[in-house]
Amino acid sequence: SAVISQKPSRDICQRGTSLTIQCQVDSQVTMMFWYRQQPGQSLTLIATANQGSEATYESGFVIDKFPISRPNLTFSTLTVSNMSPEDSSIYLCSVEGPNTGMWGETQYFGPGTRLLVL
Amino acid sequence: GENVEQHPSTLSVQEGDSAVIKCTYSDSASNYFPWYKQELGKGPQLIIDIRSNVGEKKDQRIAVTLNKTAKHFSLHITETQPEDSAVYFCAASRRAGGTSYGKLTFGQGTILTVHP
Repeated sequence: SAVISQKPSRDICQRGTSLTIQCQVDSQVTMMFWYRQQPGQSLTLIATANQGSEATYESGFVIDKFPISRPNLTFSTLTVSNMSPEDSSIYLCSVEGPNTGMWGETQYFGPGTRLLVL
Repeated sequence: GENVEQHPSTLSVQEGDSAVIKCTYSDSASNYFPWYKQELGKGPQLIIDIRSNVGEKKDQRIAVTLNKTAKHFSLHITETQPEDSAVYFCAASRRAGGTSYGKLTFGQGTILTVHP
């Protein structure tokens, strides 16, 4: 499996500001995803980070609020813009490797970024 | 879209007992079902997965069973240990032949506590 790192690991931010979270993988991967996990809750997919093109967002998430970049096959960023206390969550990066047959590879998660917005 | 229901939300067992967590899914086209373990302060870790062409898969103390007809799958942990204490998530996705991407839909999670 890939080794995934995220920066920062945690942060406390003021409302109205923005935070950019970085996800770095130690090998080239086909797919990269961003999830949100609100306190005590399950994981919700925010978007798929597409290399060299605009991210694909899930229902309820918009580019203006969560701009995503993926300049290459090992790196992606998620920005949480104009933050409010409701954005306090764990933000998780996940990756899926090259297709190695009919089933491909599963998703592996980074350690997460714990965000508290005051 | 897919909907995954997971039960129970909390599970408390004594060390050495077995633990069973159950999930149901709504999309009959879903064909890949992973289970993740999330320890406090960490990201989810894949512990086992099953594809729709098999009914059961086992890895040491962990096993997963799948009933496609009833659209449910279960995680079984035998001889539980205190280090098994964590939050467990089931998920489901649909994978087309020859492609690797399938959106994961997660269950609500089960907090497992194993008492020494």
